[in-house]
Amino acid sequence: QSVLTQPPSVSAAPGQKVTISCSGSSSNIGTNYVSWYQQLPGTAPKLLIYDNNKRPSGIPDRFSGSKSGTSATLGITGLQNGDEADYYCGTWDSSLSAGVFGGGTKLTVL
Amino acid sequence: QVQLVESGGGVVQPGRSLRLSCAASGFIFNNYAMHWVRQAPGKGLEWMALISYDGSNKYYAESVKGRFTISRDNSKNTLYLQMNSLRGEDAAVYYCARPPWTGLRFLLDYWGQGTLVTVSS
Repeated sequence: QSVLTQPPSVSAAPGQKVTISCSGSSSNIGTNYVSWYQQLPGTAPKLLIYDNNKRPSGIPDRFSGSKSGTSATLGITGLQNGDEADYYCGTWDSSLSAGVFGGGTKLTVL
Repeated sequence: QVQLVESGGGVVQPGRSLRLSCAASGFIFNNYAMHWVRQAPGKGLEWMALISYDGSNKYYAESVKGRFTISRDNSKNTLYLQMNSLRGEDAAVYYCARPPWTGLRFLLDYWGQGTLVTVSS
């Protein structure tokens, strides 16, 4: 059981938009920055979003992040087949003094 | 360029120990905190441990506290994870990861390729 809750799966057609939610609590998302990671099959995770809504260099602006209270959301617009992957949210939990990830969301591009 | 190379994985019996290493290159290792993250087969990411740039601060996931120890040798540009009393549920690919900048934060920008640990009798 993950500390952060994500939907197990989402799907949408190419060109469409999808959002992935990440729900936590006051000790993690409510207090600390959220980051998002993309994991393509058979590869190491890749940082997509940091500090709730910032994109590292090289990440297209089709990817966006937001945070409100104890929840965060990853948005992906203009879906491409290459976006099919598992997506994870993560943050620090100040009560646990530990990092925490969501359970992951599998994105299927129909 | 930043490179992280894990090693030390393999097959180990339940109850035994294993030490993983993460060799770092392409950056000033002793400027950065470092993390270990694992992923069981077919499962999600699980954060394991964090160590500060100088080794003075260490943090652990509850699931491994008291059994796993994170450490580093800055003279060798190497991060370690000593895993004791291994259990079946510890079987996973273990990744080391580095933040994009200095400071003690949960932020993982550079990842190694991972090393597989199998716990089996």
